[in-house]
Amino acid sequence: DAGVIQSPRHEVTEMGQEVTLRCKPISGHDYLFWYRQTMMRGLELLIYFNNNVPIDDSGMPEDRFSAKMPNASFSTLKIQPSEPRDSAVYFCASSQFQGARNIQYFGAGTRLSVL
Amino acid sequence: DAKTTQPNSMESNEEEPVHLPCNHSTISGTDYIHWYRQLPSQGPEYVIHGLTSNVNNRMASLAIAEDRKSSTLILHRATLRDAAVYYCILRGNQFYFGTGTSLTVIP
Repeated sequence: DAGVIQSPRHEVTEMGQEVTLRCKPISGHDYLFWYRQTMMRGLELLIYFNNNVPIDDSGMPEDRFSAKMPNASFSTLKIQPSEPRDSAVYFCASSQFQGARNIQYFGAGTRLSVL
Repeated sequence: DAKTTQPNSMESNEEEPVHLPCNHSTISGTDYIHWYRQLPSQGPEYVIHGLTSNVNNRMASLAIAEDRKSSTLILHRATLRDAAVYYCILRGNQFYFGTGTSLTVIP
């Protein structure tokens, strides 16, 4: 398996524009997670899905952020409108199960810069 | 949520063992202890996990205190490729990474 695939790797946009980040989880994994990493706050969980259904979105910072998982092999994280404070590295991860023993596999991340 | 405390940074000489400590005094009985590491410009990757007993795999060893309030990740022979941020995570219903320990390996 190719692992978790994220696109694009880098995104530069201007304030106010819509940004869409994409993620393809590992085949057969039922859980998908979106994280954001900044120097100030470290790695934060934004939202996670189980079988394409959002389970916990309490980490989503505000209504400008939305995430969807239309099928088992694809998820998007959208920011509309984007702001400079959204600049961060966004990671997608997937896992086969939930629970205390479960291992998450991370993608390489999307580095977002909002000017 | 149970939290972990790790030193911000550590240094090690190449080919020497490294002991990375983690305190988790509020751990619950069902929390597993996970370690991940993040190499520069990459996503976090799984290293090892355990519940009560010490664990070994090809990457590292995990030593868990008898009272489970602390644990130590052991890299038996540090290489330059082991330079990374190491996260100790209590895995119950949440997945909180904390700030981790930045390991520098000196040639």
